[in-house]
Amino acid sequence: EDKVVQSPLSLVVHEGDTVTLNCSYEVTNFRSLLWYKQEKKAPTFLFMLTSSGIEKKSGRLSSILDKKELFSILNITATQTGDSAVYLCAYRRGNTPLVFGKGTRLSVIA
Amino acid sequence: DGGITQSPKYLFRKEGQNVTLSCEQNLNHDAMYWYRQDPGQGLRLIYYSQIVNDFQKGDIAEGYSVSREKKESFPLTVTSAQKNPTAFYLCASSIGTSRSDTGELFFGEGSRLTVL
Repeated sequence: EDKVVQSPLSLVVHEGDTVTLNCSYEVTNFRSLLWYKQEKKAPTFLFMLTSSGIEKKSGRLSSILDKKELFSILNITATQTGDSAVYLCAYRRGNTPLVFGKGTRLSVIA
Repeated sequence: DGGITQSPKYLFRKEGQNVTLSCEQNLNHDAMYWYRQDPGQGLRLIYYSQIVNDFQKGDIAEGYSVSREKKESFPLTVTSAQKNPTAFYLCASSIGTSRSDTGELFFGEGSRLTVL
């Protein structure tokens, strides 16, 4: 059965720390892996990684996809309290809808 | 502005009652989805529709029903058969199933249903 596992499930860090969130997947017919940030209600899109685009960066956030070991990481450097959120990883298999992991709850304290 | 509108934001219902959650989008997207979110469970797919007048069950469709009579609208009915309906419900849309569809979902603000 296809699955996606995120770790850790929760994390507390201090402002300025660097954090790494993990997402491992086991899926046939892999098409893409997406990261979302959910602060209170609607998840917002961060990155999409595919076989042809395995590394993305936007400001303090970056993400890579390891196609061989079947995992992705989301890196946040110089964390701020505004980074506090649930980070969701999701994969897409073929043309089917996204399947989400359980998320990592990140709390950044001043 | 283009986007997805869900209503109501908060809803209380008594056991045994059906309730319908509204989802409207003006993004001209072909595909629409309903996900359920429980604490510590991530998002789980209830139903999705890739085209008007057609929809498919997701992983947890039991106790729910949908319709897709218009491209812009994808209402979800939580029936009395749903054993544990208290949850946060998210509606989403995507371009569709064409080769140009990246799969990226655009979400509404969600509806929080509480069964008393």
